[in-house]
Amino acid sequence: AQSVTQLDSHVSVSEGTPVLLRCNYSSSYSPSLFWYVQHPNKGLQLLLKYTSAATLVKGINGFEAEFKKSETSFHLTKPSAHMSDAAEYFCVVSEPSGTYKYIFGTGTRLKVLA
Amino acid sequence: NAGVTQTPKFQVLKTGQSMTLQCAQDMNHEYMSWYRQDPGMGLRLIHYSVGAGITDQGEVPNGYNVSRSTTEDFPLRLLSAAPSQTSVYFCASSPQSGGETQYFGPGTRLLVL
Repeated sequence: AQSVTQLDSHVSVSEGTPVLLRCNYSSSYSPSLFWYVQHPNKGLQLLLKYTSAATLVKGINGFEAEFKKSETSFHLTKPSAHMSDAAEYFCVVSEPSGTYKYIFGTGTRLKVLA
Repeated sequence: NAGVTQTPKFQVLKTGQSMTLQCAQDMNHEYMSWYRQDPGMGLRLIHYSVGAGITDQGEVPNGYNVSRSTTEDFPLRLLSAAPSQTSVYFCASSPQSGGETQYFGPGTRLLVL
């Protein structure tokens, strides 16, 4: 069965410093993994996705994530935080086509300090 | 191309009332789903559909019904609203199930008194 764990419910960083949001997953198959961002009172926007191609995935707004099968992790990083990055971030796991489930993590709220 | 649209944006109901949350997509996607979002719990799948005429239950289906008569529309019905159904509801679609990017609507905020 699939599951996903976001290890931090809240992360605070100073503007201009690196961002690390941690995600571990469990899957019986080769999963697809996603990061979505949700700004306050908004819908969800795709940041990036991994679908068994390159293990380092680049997304929008300077974010990237690395798929590490041995560690069952898919951590999200950004070299330098911007005030506009303040939002809630969700890690999502899905198994290959033919199944139906997308399992969401409980979210990490990122706060960026001036 | 409007993507995924949801109506209404906000609704207040009294306990026991019924209502339908509307969801439509214009991308010809086969897969559509409904989630509810509650603080600290992420998004939980209520119902999903892999094509017109085919629906199934997700993680938290109790108190909700769905139907899929067309590819474009996937309404969510609350039969008898309860305060526990106070939440933000998101509809999503993707070209097919599993492994594809989901596109989300803007959400419906529901308050049940």
